[in-house]
Amino acid sequence: NAGVTQTPKFQVLKTGQSMTLQCAQDMNHEYMSWYRQDPGMGLRLIHYSVGAGITDQGEVPNGYNVSRSTTEDFPLRLLSAAPSQTSVYFCASSYRGPGRHEQYFGPGTRLTVT
Amino acid sequence: AQKVTQAQTEISVVEKEDVTLDCVYETRDTTYYLFWYKQPPSGELVFLIRRNSFDEQNEISGRYSWNFQKSTSSFNFTITASQVVDSAVYFCALSEDYYGQNFVFGPGTRLSVLP
Repeated sequence: NAGVTQTPKFQVLKTGQSMTLQCAQDMNHEYMSWYRQDPGMGLRLIHYSVGAGITDQGEVPNGYNVSRSTTEDFPLRLLSAAPSQTSVYFCASSYRGPGRHEQYFGPGTRLTVT
Repeated sequence: AQKVTQAQTEISVVEKEDVTLDCVYETRDTTYYLFWYKQPPSGELVFLIRRNSFDEQNEISGRYSWNFQKSTSSFNFTITASQVVDSAVYFCALSEDYYGQNFVFGPGTRLSVLP
């Protein structure tokens, strides 16, 4: 199993550009999520999905869109990048249900917006 | 609302010392789940442990142990005989949702183990 994969590993954008961060998992997990990690703030939830066709907002959703057309993939779209979106982005997945819902994380994407 | 506090921003110890990382949480739910994750310098996030609110038994895994106390809303993590490879940022997290959604992470504690 590859687990959770993310591409790209690094990205530099100019203000106003758009891009999509890719995330895929091969563990047949129902739940997938996107977090951003900023210094001293831990990880903050951006969006999440409990299954194909179902998404919802997390703590910091503004400026990001998601969709989930398959169980495996959960891309994160930045529509018009801003310097405040400079961060490290992590995708995670897990089973749903108590007792086995620890999240497994991808390797992260380091995004810089100039 | 749920909240996780890790008051220790950075800790430095010398190899072979024991070290405890503190985690205090807030929740109004009676059923919840607590987690610890490790983020080594390479940047990935590694799951260490999950604990359910109805199971206060402490857990030991090799040099790692966890002390869960509902009375003080704490879920502390102790590394015994620390090693340089333990150097990392450690995150405590809380999930209130029955289905395991909506994790809330603490700000993390950076542990440096010096040789």
